[in-house]
Amino acid sequence: EAGVVQSPRYKIIEKKQPVAFWCNPISGHNTLYWYRQNLGQGPELLIRYENEEAVDDSQLPKDRFSAERLKGVDSTLKIQPAELGDSAVYLCASSLVEDRVQVVYNEQFFGPGTRLTVL
Amino acid sequence: RKEVEQDPGPFNVPEGATVAFNCTYSNSASQSFFWYRQDCRKEPKLLMSVYSSGNEDGRFTAQLNRASQYISLLIRDSKLSDSATYLCVVKTPQGAQKLVFGQGTRLTINP
Repeated sequence: EAGVVQSPRYKIIEKKQPVAFWCNPISGHNTLYWYRQNLGQGPELLIRYENEEAVDDSQLPKDRFSAERLKGVDSTLKIQPAELGDSAVYLCASSLVEDRVQVVYNEQFFGPGTRLTVL
Repeated sequence: RKEVEQDPGPFNVPEGATVAFNCTYSNSASQSFFWYRQDCRKEPKLLMSVYSSGNEDGRFTAQLNRASQYISLLIRDSKLSDSATYLCVVKTPQGAQKLVFGQGTRLTINP
């Protein structure tokens, strides 16, 4: 079974340029997450989707970041304009959440990430 | 104070040694707990869930102390392939699906 797919794997841009990341979750997974991981730190959640609805975007810097998950499958994360401090690895993860109460231990599967360098 | 705190290490131990990692969390209402493993330049992968009664998976033992808000991971008979960063992860009650990661503890097993 294919895992979470992300592209591109690497991206180098100059500051103030726009950039977009794409994620294809595991087939059948209804919940999708975008995380940012800075060097030497653990991943931090940016946004979580349940199907096509963004249910938690409290950590998403909305002045420059946007995300969408059309049709509840693939997702894109965009930064416009990028800043030097946005250099990080952007990880997408997915999980199957069938019951909010029951599923406490459901596993999130991560993609390989996109390593962004802003010059 | 960070929601999940870990000693970042690095830990350098000889092959065959026993090594233990600790983690504390600040939200007493946290629902579930995990250890993830992350190899260099790779994505995090679930190593094991941590249950209230403690649980073991081969050479790995996880413990949870809810009163002290403390989680531990013990690796016995360490192998070279255990070299990685170990992330302590807590699932918050907020929406029940938000994972909060510690910064990770870097482990190197030396031959």
